[in-house]
Amino acid sequence: EAGVAQSPRYKIIEKRQSVAFWCNPISGHATLYWYQQILGQGPKLLIQFQNNGVVDDSQLPKDRFSAERLKGVDSTLKIQPAKLEDSAVYLCASSLALQTQYFGPGTRLLVL
Amino acid sequence: AQTVTQSQPEMSVQEAETVTLSCTYDTSENNYYLFWYKQPPSRQMILVIRQEAYKQQNATENRFSVNFQKAAKSFSLKISDSQLGDTAMYFCAFPNTGNQFYFGTGTSLTVIP
Repeated sequence: EAGVAQSPRYKIIEKRQSVAFWCNPISGHATLYWYQQILGQGPKLLIQFQNNGVVDDSQLPKDRFSAERLKGVDSTLKIQPAKLEDSAVYLCASSLALQTQYFGPGTRLLVL
Repeated sequence: AQTVTQSQPEMSVQEAETVTLSCTYDTSENNYYLFWYKQPPSRQMILVIRQEAYKQQNATENRFSVNFQKAAKSFSLKISDSQLGDTAMYFCAFPNTGNQFYFGTGTSLTVIP
């Protein structure tokens, strides 16, 4: 069984630029999550989708972050414009309803 | 609100020895799951072990086992016969009723050859 796929693996941008991350969950997993992990901290949930609907986005900085999961499978997380403090690893995870979350390899973002 | 506390920022263990990582949590719920994840330098979060709160028996996965004390809200991870590949950050995670995970701050484990 294929795991959670994410791309790109690394991204370096300058502040005020925009960036997008892509995630493909495990086949059949209805729930998809995006986490932000700043160096030295545990992951923090940004947004949770159930199929193509948003379950929770209370910690998503909506003035600059957006996410979508149009067909209930792949998801895209966008940052526009990026700030220095957005430098982090962005992790995507998926699960079968309320069960174990499986994580992708993450995207390391560096904002200069 | 759920909180997860890992009080050991760094630990080290000799290869082939046993080490225990601590985790405490706070919740008002009765039925829930608890997880330990491993994060090597590649930064991918890898599931180590899962415990269901309604089960009295502690979970075991090969060299990894937990000591789950529900009344004390304690969930420690024991790694037996430590191997160099066990070197990583270890995170304790606790989901709320919506399956949104709360993670501890992590314990950095180094296995010394």
